[in-house]
Amino acid sequence: GDSVTQKQGQVTLSEDDFLFINCTYSTTTYPTLFWYVQYPGQGPQLLLKVTTANNKGISRGFEATYDKGTTSFHLQKASVQESDSAVYFCALVGYYNQGKLIFGQGTKLSIKP
Amino acid sequence: DTTVKQNPRYKLARVGKPVNLICSQTMNHDTMYWYQKKPNQAPKLLLFYYDKILNREADTFEKFQSSRPNNSFCSLYIGSAGLEYSAMYLCASSRDPGREQYFGPGTRLTVL
Repeated sequence: GDSVTQKQGQVTLSEDDFLFINCTYSTTTYPTLFWYVQYPGQGPQLLLKVTTANNKGISRGFEATYDKGTTSFHLQKASVQESDSAVYFCALVGYYNQGKLIFGQGTKLSIKP
Repeated sequence: DTTVKQNPRYKLARVGKPVNLICSQTMNHDTMYWYQKKPNQAPKLLLFYYDKILNREADTFEKFQSSRPNNSFCSLYIGSAGLEYSAMYLCASSRDPGREQYFGPGTRLTVL
């Protein structure tokens, strides 16, 4: 079945540092890939969506890219701010799996002021 | 407006007692989902409704039930809570399966 692996459980950066979070996936179908962000006390919010057609998405200073060759997708931001502190989840939906989101385990991003 | 609401936000339950969680959305989305999330784990899909059709995951089939009396509301029902049910329960909706899902703030269930 479809799976997503997100190995970076916690990342600690200083303001203005570069952020890079990586996920790898396994699927037999054409996936749509998502990044969700969860702030304390809230549910996950959609941050970015990447399909096999567009390979890249940009929102709120974040950029998501997708590499079919290595079956990986990344989230990056050039300069993080303290307000970016949150948990970031990667997820995928396979083309034939009825819209079921398969999540990674999440990366907790902490930004030191 | 992409708001999904969940009630209650916090629920304390006794072992063996039933639990009923409520979710609502006003986006006229066809699909509504329930996920269970435990600390340091990925959200895990429990079940979802596509219109009036309920789909339950195989490994949680007997543990959770749900109803969707109309397009806007969806409930998650636990007949007899056990300690292992303590978790955050997230409701989400999407226009149709495969589209972006919009999540509610979650209900934190603690079973004692």
